[in-house]
Amino acid sequence: KQEVTQIPAALSVPEGENLVLNCSFTDSAIYNLQWFRQDPGKGLTSLLLIQSSQREQTSGRLNASLDKSSGRSTLYIAASQPGDSATYLCAVSYGQNFVFGPGTRLSVLP
Amino acid sequence: DTGVSQDPRHKITKRGQNVTFRCDPISEHNRLYWYRQTLGQGPEFLTYFQNEAQLEKSRLLSDRFSAERPKGSFSTLEIQRTEQGDSAMYLCASGGGNTIYFGEGSWLTVV
Repeated sequence: KQEVTQIPAALSVPEGENLVLNCSFTDSAIYNLQWFRQDPGKGLTSLLLIQSSQREQTSGRLNASLDKSSGRSTLYIAASQPGDSATYLCAVSYGQNFVFGPGTRLSVLP
Repeated sequence: DTGVSQDPRHKITKRGQNVTFRCDPISEHNRLYWYRQTLGQGPEFLTYFQNEAQLEKSRLLSDRFSAERPKGSFSTLEIQRTEQGDSAMYLCASGGGNTIYFGEGSWLTVV
């Protein structure tokens, strides 16, 4: 069964800290992996997409890495800000479908 | 607005009633997805369309659920004889290239 897990489930940090969110997947035969952000009661916004042949992607203060062989991805957020507070979801594509993790709820305190 | 649109945004219905949600994808996208999300969980895949063809359906999509995309543009998701367990947010997404773009979701509360 294709499963995606994320740790921690929740994280609270003071403003300015660097932080790492973790994503693990059981089936390494992925097409790509995507990180999303979700604000309360809202839809999902794509942050970064990593193709299966890539090791990492960067956008601004965000950096996502992918290690297919170990079934892991990390999302690194540098110099966190209160506006980064949201739930971060990892989604793995095995074709046309995406399998989502449960998310990490991040709170960045001013 | 050129994003994915969903309607209605919120629906409260009595158990046993039928409800229908509509999704208007990004116009040039030929892939359309429906997901369901409950509080504290990630979205769960329900079904996927390539143009008007429904190519994949999850086991979660019981016979009370039906989705259509008649002309390969907008899509509808109907839930018949709603149950309290159907209370969730129903998310639509459309696919362009390797990524997908989500709408704001339709919240369903069954009372």
